[in-house]
Amino acid sequence: SQTIHQWPATLVQPVGSPLSLECTVEGTSNPNLYWYRQAAGRGLQLLFYSVGIGQISSEVPQNLSASRPQDRQFILSSKKLLLSDSGFYLCAWSVIQGQPQHFGDGTRLSIL
Amino acid sequence: QKEVEQNSGPLSVPEGAIASLNCTYSDRGSQSFFWYRQYSGKSPELIMSIYSNGDKEDGRFTAQLNKASQYVSLLIRDSQPSDSATYLCAVKMIQGAQKLVFGQGTRLTINP
Repeated sequence: SQTIHQWPATLVQPVGSPLSLECTVEGTSNPNLYWYRQAAGRGLQLLFYSVGIGQISSEVPQNLSASRPQDRQFILSSKKLLLSDSGFYLCAWSVIQGQPQHFGDGTRLSIL
Repeated sequence: QKEVEQNSGPLSVPEGAIASLNCTYSDRGSQSFFWYRQYSGKSPELIMSIYSNGDKEDGRFTAQLNKASQYVSLLIRDSQPSDSATYLCAVKMIQGAQKLVFGQGTRLTINP
């Protein structure tokens, strides 16, 4: 069966520091991968998605970037975090483009 | 008009009653519809998928789809306190078919 791993679960970072969140999927090949952010009490905002190695589509211009160095690995990065980057970051995967998506446990990021 | 709209709630339902959650969407060509449940502080969990007009039942959950009215709903029968969560509607639209569009979610509280 397929599983998705996302870490760390919780992260506290100072403003201006770098960020790297990692997500890996097991049990499937060539998954579609997604990064979402959910602000407190808000809906899911799609940040990036990838349909293959090295293929990244950005949904929202901001100081975040994503990379897919391996088939089942998706990384979310930032060179300098802003206060507004705080939130709940969720990685998701799907077999067929767009549907249905299965989520990792998420990373709660607090910027101080 | 938002692409996927849900009443944010909170929706309060007594234990044992039927909870009815509603979602409308803007893209008439949409083909795939999903309901996710999200407990506070946790990641969304897929609970229902529906692709054809009509009803689809899974245990205490029934998803209803009416493409002509661009309306999808989720009924929860015999509501339990453990059903208290935020329910997210997600739609795969024709445009941007690699991704799902999520509604803001409806917060449901089941009162014992």
